[in-house]
Amino acid sequence: DADVTQTPRNRITKTGKRIMLECSQTKGHDRMYWYRQDPGLGLRLIYYSFDVKDINKGEISDGYSVSRQAQAKFSLSLESAIPNQTALYFCATMGQDYEQYFGPGTRLTVT
Amino acid sequence: RKEVEQDPGPFNVPEGATVAFNCTYSNSASQSFFWYRQDCRKEPKLLMSVYSSGNEDGRFTAQLNRASQYISLLIRDSKLSDSATYLCVVNKQGGSYIPTFGRGTSLIVHP
Repeated sequence: DADVTQTPRNRITKTGKRIMLECSQTKGHDRMYWYRQDPGLGLRLIYYSFDVKDINKGEISDGYSVSRQAQAKFSLSLESAIPNQTALYFCATMGQDYEQYFGPGTRLTVT
Repeated sequence: RKEVEQDPGPFNVPEGATVAFNCTYSNSASQSFFWYRQDCRKEPKLLMSVYSSGNEDGRFTAQLNRASQYISLLIRDSKLSDSATYLCVVNKQGGSYIPTFGRGTSLIVHP
């Protein structure tokens, strides 16, 4: 089984809808991250969490919120989706040597 | 100047060739360095960490040059399966938990 899982894997939604992307990990890591990837722009950090009580904004947090429900779970919400949030979203954890482990990604399309 | 810069390529090489990528970083206090591999529409996966003394893993060799602030990745005897995008990642001192990603270098290995 994969160490970092994401659901859904693909989602098409309409402008203005609320949507939640979920991430679970079995690696036992405290540090978890949400990124989005757009063609030509690389990975950009949305939010990160170093433990259940710690939530931090990344470089592009506007329009997003997160919830760290447990050490193993970190969810990303789009309160009111807009078309420019169409992207590939990755959840990741970080190990003790600062290496990261990524989930398989969620391909989100906002129409 | 971007914090982490990579030549986007693509580098188009024949099987068996040796190819090298460089990645420059702007923050001299950077502490941790990595190369990740990303296949099209898949998640990034750790290829190798980059140590001050340089390190080798099979056909792959990574080097760090702190004086000139760049890291390199050398791939020998290229295989078709090496075709992917290679991401350079740099973690800053005191912020090693917040990686900075380059936009990636595309490698295409052809028969």
